[in-house]
Amino acid sequence: DTGVSQDPRHKITKRGQNVTFRCDPISEHNRLYWYRQTLGQGPEFLTYFQNEAQLEKSRLLSDRFSAERPKGSFSTLEIQRTEQGDSAMYLCASRWGEDTEAFFGQGTRLTVV
Amino acid sequence: DQQVKQNSPSLSVQEGRISILNCDYTNSMFDYFLWYKKYPAEGPTFLISISSIKDKNEDGRFTVFLNKSAKHLSLHIVPSQPGDSAVYFCAASAPLGGSEKLVFGKGTKLTVNP
Repeated sequence: DTGVSQDPRHKITKRGQNVTFRCDPISEHNRLYWYRQTLGQGPEFLTYFQNEAQLEKSRLLSDRFSAERPKGSFSTLEIQRTEQGDSAMYLCASRWGEDTEAFFGQGTRLTVV
Repeated sequence: DQQVKQNSPSLSVQEGRISILNCDYTNSMFDYFLWYKKYPAEGPTFLISISSIKDKNEDGRFTVFLNKSAKHLSLHIVPSQPGDSAVYFCAASAPLGGSEKLVFGKGTKLTVNP
């Protein structure tokens, strides 16, 4: 399977705990995106990497959120001190060019209890 | 501020007929547009895209039309099949304007009845 892979698929955590998600993009793609989706909404942009450089970050992204892409391959998204409002589907996408289609992974469903 | 709007939350059509899904945008810097299909509990699946230098792009049963002056695009599916039932998202980006993020609408739920 050469698609975008996300791990875990589901995560249930207690409020206040930290969580980390992983995304493995399609191997030849240098661009990687993180999105969040809640019920009834479209995917909401969080942050974007080109290779290992984080080039764009949503103004809505709290400082509890941090993302990395060491060596320009896989990426991790960490949420510190989770809140119930963080419950959502977290989606990762990758593409190789600025005007090409982005391919999404299956997402990580986070539930904060 | 919703820069990409899909004003119809749902659409129902008969199998074999045409489905037309609409999308409006407000940011004149957008110059690349995409349509995605999404099933519950899965990530969005890419369907078709169009750049602002074109006004139409076709791929099998799917055609996207772009009207830049009206800041409007539409996705036509013909003939519609029950397997097309899903939520469809319109997305836009402004790579020439310095922003590569995709901005999504809220989606339209399409139901194709047998």
